[in-house]
Amino acid sequence: KNQVEQSPQSLIILEGKNCTLQCNYTVSPFSNLRWYKQDTGRGPVSLTIMTFSENTKSNGRYTATLDADTKQSSLHITASQLSDSASYICVVRGVYGQNFVFGPGTRLSVLP
Amino acid sequence: NAGVTQTPKFRVLKTGQSMTLLCAQDMNHEYMYWYRQDPGMGLRLIHYSVGEGTTAKGEVPDGYNVSRLKKQNFLLGLESAAPSQTSVYFCASRVPGELFFGEGSRLTVL
Repeated sequence: KNQVEQSPQSLIILEGKNCTLQCNYTVSPFSNLRWYKQDTGRGPVSLTIMTFSENTKSNGRYTATLDADTKQSSLHITASQLSDSASYICVVRGVYGQNFVFGPGTRLSVLP
Repeated sequence: NAGVTQTPKFRVLKTGQSMTLLCAQDMNHEYMYWYRQDPGMGLRLIHYSVGEGTTAKGEVPDGYNVSRLKKQNFLLGLESAAPSQTSVYFCASRVPGELFFGEGSRLTVL
């Protein structure tokens, strides 16, 4: 069964610190991997999308990495801000079908 | 530009009642999806549509029906609500490379 796992489940950091969120997936064959940010009470918003051939992609203070061989991705947040407090969701799409496989998310809390 | 709009945002139902959630998108997208989000779980696909007049079952379709009579609208219906359908429902539309989500509809079934 295609699965996406994320760790940690939740994370608390102080403002200004860096953090890294992990995503492991079993979806195969793989098409692309996306990271979404979901603020409390809102819909997910796209941060990055990576295809099989891409190893890293940045979007401001967010940097995603992908190792398609080990089926792992990470999202690194630099110099965290209070507004980074949200859930971060890893989403993987396989080559076949319409479905996107969503991870359960990592809940990040940034404290002043 | 409203993007993807869901109505209503909140609803409380009694077991056995029926209701319809409306999703409207103004981006002329062909693909639309309905997901449910439950605590500790990833979003799960209920039904989807690849164009006006078409619908297909997703991962968890039981107890739900959908219709796509107009390209911009995708309706999700619950004919006889059950407590297990208490959830937050998200609609999304898609172009190649991007999914756009609505703000969600929180449904509680008592």
